[in-house]
Amino acid sequence: ETGVTQTPRHLVMGMTNKKSLKCEQHLGHNAMYWYKQSAKKPLELMFVYNFKEQTENNSVPSRFSPECPNSSHLFLHLHTLQPEDSALYLCASSQDAGVQETQYFGPGTRLLVL
Amino acid sequence: AQSVAQPEDQVNVAEGNPLTVKCTYSVSGNPYLFWYVQYPNRGLQFLLKYITGDNLVKGSYGFEAEFNKSQTSFHLKKPSALVSDSALYFCAVRAPGTYKYIFGTGTRLKVLA
Repeated sequence: ETGVTQTPRHLVMGMTNKKSLKCEQHLGHNAMYWYKQSAKKPLELMFVYNFKEQTENNSVPSRFSPECPNSSHLFLHLHTLQPEDSALYLCASSQDAGVQETQYFGPGTRLLVL
Repeated sequence: AQSVAQPEDQVNVAEGNPLTVKCTYSVSGNPYLFWYVQYPNRGLQFLLKYITGDNLVKGSYGFEAEFNKSQTSFHLKKPSALVSDSALYFCAVRAPGTYKYIFGTGTRLKVLA
């Protein structure tokens, strides 16, 4: 285990639903990340939070809304998603967002949008 | 623009033989290079990284990687492959002054018994 947990592990939702993904890290880190992993494509960085402040939004559609209430928790709120949003969503954390820092990943939430 | 290329979708190697998983990169400035491994139904796990110093970096599970600046490569190697090394391997680069990791598309390693 890497010290980063994600819930739920699997999620099926309709295009009109609202759901949230949760990530929690037990490593005392100050930076947290959301990634999207689709088949045959590189991991796509979605959001970066450093000391609870959002420092990167990688042109992500507004139907994805992140929330970072404290350094240990990160949420991804989902609403009116599209089938092409089906993917594995990975959360990661690092000591801070410095370039040398190693990221520690959670197991991911596999999302299916019908 | 920053980019990472993993030219092989899949690498097959017999158990006990040496393995190489290739990675080349393009980045402005001095790169910070990483290798991660992903087992089925798991997140990515860190293997090793190059920040500065010795071009040969040793990491977890007997893996190592060699930074070659002239060839802009950071190939992952292991002298003797194990069946349990079978997984998906990702190379990643970060450029100074950015928060972004750029990942390759991944290479599936299959070690045959």
